[in-house]
Amino acid sequence: AQSVTQLDSQVPVFEEAPVELRCNYSSSVSVYLFWYVQYPNQGLQLLLKYLSGSTLVKGINGFEAEFNKSQTSFHLRKPSVHISDTAEYFCAVTSTGANNLFFGTGTRLTVIP
Amino acid sequence: NAGVMQNPRHLVRRRGQEARLRCSPMKGHSHVYWYRQLPEEGLKFMVYLQKENIIDESGMPKERFSAEFPKEGPSILRIQQVVRGDSAAYFCASSPLGRPNTEAFFGQGTRLTVV
Repeated sequence: AQSVTQLDSQVPVFEEAPVELRCNYSSSVSVYLFWYVQYPNQGLQLLLKYLSGSTLVKGINGFEAEFNKSQTSFHLRKPSVHISDTAEYFCAVTSTGANNLFFGTGTRLTVIP
Repeated sequence: NAGVMQNPRHLVRRRGQEARLRCSPMKGHSHVYWYRQLPEEGLKFMVYLQKENIIDESGMPKERFSAEFPKEGPSILRIQQVVRGDSAAYFCASSPLGRPNTEAFFGQGTRLTVV
C-alpha cells in the first residue's frame, strides 16, 4: 500500500523568504513522486516530478524538490517566494503498475506581503 | 492542443437528482481517471478507464456511482440520487498510451453542490 503524509496543513511565509513544504511517503516498491499546485477554484498543475535519476528535481516557477530514499521524503523548496505562490500544494506518489496517484491532504501556502 | 476539458465547471443538484459530469481528455490520450476532492482533503482516486473499458474502479462507491468512456465522445461520471455528502470537486485526468500514471494532466474540475 502507498500513502503520502504532508505534515503541515498551513504554512505562512513572508514574501521573498524561503519556504519548505514537507512530504513523506510510504511504499514497499519503487516510487514516482510528484508535486502539484492548485490555485483557488482551479485544477491541479504539475510543478515537478521524480521518476528516476538525479534526486534533485527542478520544476516550474522556481520550485525544486529532493528525493531522499532513506528518509522516504520528497520535500518541496523555493528560495524566495512571491505573492503569486499563494496556493494549495499537493504531494503525490505512485509506482510502476499502479493505476492511480495517491495524494496527501495538501499544504496551504500563504505568502504575506 | 487543448488541455483536459471538464464540464460543467459548477453543478447544483437537489437531493435525489442525477448528476452527470463530462471529461474530454487531451488529444491523443487514451487513459482517463476520475478523482474526488472533498472539502479540506486531498484527491481520492475513483476510477480508471480506457476507451470502452473500466480498468480499475476500486475507488468508486458501490452504489449510485458509475463511469464510462465510450468509443466516441467524452468520459462521463454519473451520480444517481445525489446526497449532500456527494458535494465535492470532481477532477478528471488523462494520460497518453503507455504512461498511465506518470504523465497525467488534470482538468479544472467540476464542483458539485447538492442542496
